[in-house]
Amino acid sequence: DAGVTQSPTHLIKTRGQQVTLRCSPKSGHDTVSWYQQALGQGPQFIFQYYEEEERQRGNFPDRFSGHQFPNYSSELNVNALLLGDSALYLCASSFSGRASTDTQYFGPGTRLTVL
Amino acid sequence: QKEVEQNSGPLSVPEGAIASLNCTYSDRGSQSFFWYRQYSGKSPELIMFIYSNGDKEDGRFTAQLNKASQYVSLLIRDSQPSDSATYLCAVTTGNQFYFGTGTSLTVIP
Repeated sequence: DAGVTQSPTHLIKTRGQQVTLRCSPKSGHDTVSWYQQALGQGPQFIFQYYEEEERQRGNFPDRFSGHQFPNYSSELNVNALLLGDSALYLCASSFSGRASTDTQYFGPGTRLTVL
Repeated sequence: QKEVEQNSGPLSVPEGAIASLNCTYSDRGSQSFFWYRQYSGKSPELIMFIYSNGDKEDGRFTAQLNKASQYVSLLIRDSQPSDSATYLCAVTTGNQFYFGTGTSLTVIP
């Protein structure tokens, strides 16, 4: 049973560039949430996708956008990168039906460094 | 005020001892409570969840929830060096997960 997968593992970008991160949920899961985790901090909720729609969004600017595909996989896009966007980006999947707080399982993360 | 607060530690316990990790949350309407373990450089790994007041045991781990006092705790019995990690408390409020900053635990052989 495949768990949550993310790609790429590491990424180095420069300020102003754009980046796309990818996530495939655990088998049987239909909901994907994205988090940003800065060093020494807990994960901060970016947004959640269910049925190809953004269902919930945290306190992140519009530079952060996402998409969910019919196979439940998801992308996180960040435009106009800032130095402060350097972090570990985590994808978490769950099976939630109409609830959005079912147990979430995390992928290995993508480490983004902005120079 | 942060939604979820944890003592950042570090917390050190000798091997075989009980480690006690605590978490408080601000919203009385919070519905579900989770403990995750995160090794350095890795992603969070679910340890257990609890929804109702009282204790829930799973192997060496016991989660305790007290909604009236708005705290949730995690006890680790017979602590092992492999338990050394950061422990994250997560709370769901209004259909959203909120994480604490984590407590760093070191188990000394």
